[in-house]
Amino acid sequence: AQTVTQSQPEMSVQEAETVTLSCTYDTSESDYYLFWYKQPPSRQMILVIRQEAYKQQNATENRFSVNFQKAAKSFSLKISDSQLGDAAMYFCAYRSAYDDMRFGAGTRLTVKP
Amino acid sequence: EPEVTQTPSHQVTQMGQEVILRCVPISNHLYFYWYRQILGQKVEFLVSFYNNEISEKSEIFDDQFSVERPDGSNFTLKIRSTKLEDSAMYFCAIHTISYNEQFFGPGTRLTVL
Repeated sequence: AQTVTQSQPEMSVQEAETVTLSCTYDTSESDYYLFWYKQPPSRQMILVIRQEAYKQQNATENRFSVNFQKAAKSFSLKISDSQLGDAAMYFCAYRSAYDDMRFGAGTRLTVKP
Repeated sequence: EPEVTQTPSHQVTQMGQEVILRCVPISNHLYFYWYRQILGQKVEFLVSFYNNEISEKSEIFDDQFSVERPDGSNFTLKIRSTKLEDSAMYFCAIHTISYNEQFFGPGTRLTVL
């Protein structure tokens, strides 16, 4: 069974600084997708970034980038130039093909002004 | 980007009552998912629905749950006899082939008293 582990329940970063959120996963599949979702207090799930496992290049979306280490089954999220609006719960997620998403337990990010 | 709406945004019900949560994709899709998030916990998969049939369900999705597409567009989740522990956010998601992505609706907050 696929599992997703986020070992940091809480993280804190100073505004304008950089923070990295960790995620590891376990799978026997070779083709899959990885995601980071942001959940603000409204509790809506907002897709931040996605990575296809077959792509070696790390995905980037503006201030958000990932460090995808397929052999180590690691998928960390780096947020550069942190802003107050980045404060939220962040969930790492995995899915293969058309399967359901498997989520980690989440990391609560606090941004200090 | 595909849009998904969910109604109601918040539902309060008495224990033992039936509730129906609705998911309305803006355009036609084949793959639907329901997820649940108990407050403070991770998002959990409930059921996937493909081509008008359940394709996969988790152990959470027991006999008190059912899903259907009553009119070919809306996608509903019915809980027959609600329990206190059913209080959670319920997210509908659609999978689009064009984007090869799952898009989440804004969620329905269910409160069982």
